Amino acid sequence: SAVISQKPSRDICQRGTSLTIQCQVDSQVTMMFWYRQQPGQSLTLIATANQGSEATYESGFVIDKFPISRPNLTFSTLTVSNMSPEDSSIYLCSVAPDGRNEKLFFGSGTQLSVL
Amino acid sequence: RKEVEQDPGPFNVPEGATVAFNCTYSNSASQSFFWYRQDCRKEPKLLMSVYSSGNEDGRFTAQLNRASQYISLLIRDSKLSDSATYLCVVNMGVYGGSQGNLIFGKGTKLSVKP
Repeated sequence: SAVISQKPSRDICQRGTSLTIQCQVDSQVTMMFWYRQQPGQSLTLIATANQGSEATYESGFVIDKFPISRPNLTFSTLTVSNMSPEDSSIYLCSVAPDGRNEKLFFGSGTQLSVL
Repeated sequence: RKEVEQDPGPFNVPEGATVAFNCTYSNSASQSFFWYRQDCRKEPKLLMSVYSSGNEDGRFTAQLNRASQYISLLIRDSKLSDSATYLCVVNMGVYGGSQGNLIFGKGTKLSVKP
């Protein structure tokens, strides 16, 4: 198992600003994943963050909009840049500590509202 | 056809009832299947993996029907604490492949009433 501390838990932001979300894991993990869950929608993978290399982004997500840092094996950040109301969503980080990338543990999420 | 489809519900059942959810998937080559539980305003948590032979854990039974491309989750003797949204998750790629192959359904909401 894994314990993930994610912060902030929620924020209300003005359009055009940026927010950085942090995730700290209690053990070393090779990959960390960032998901988005929009209201009434399924979880959608934004990117996979590997330590020591650039993140791998899914179709529809770009580094300029969602820059990711992964400075070590227990920590990652996701920035939502130049926000618009369409970015209002829950953002979740997750890890697969046993190596099976299907059995995920999630952080508690960041509820983002953009005005 | 959507990749992973679930009836959004809500399923409103009394305590002690048996309830079942189905989830259909579009890719016949899908290899792995899971049920996650998500409480209101909380993160998803893995509930069960779904094996070809079915999987049972206490009051919960998960089954796979490859021919019809669906998985099911059966909850017996429902408790108030079972109220949550149940997410169906399908790996449409190979084990160890791209994380993007892990597709989440939108979830089925269950509400157990006293």
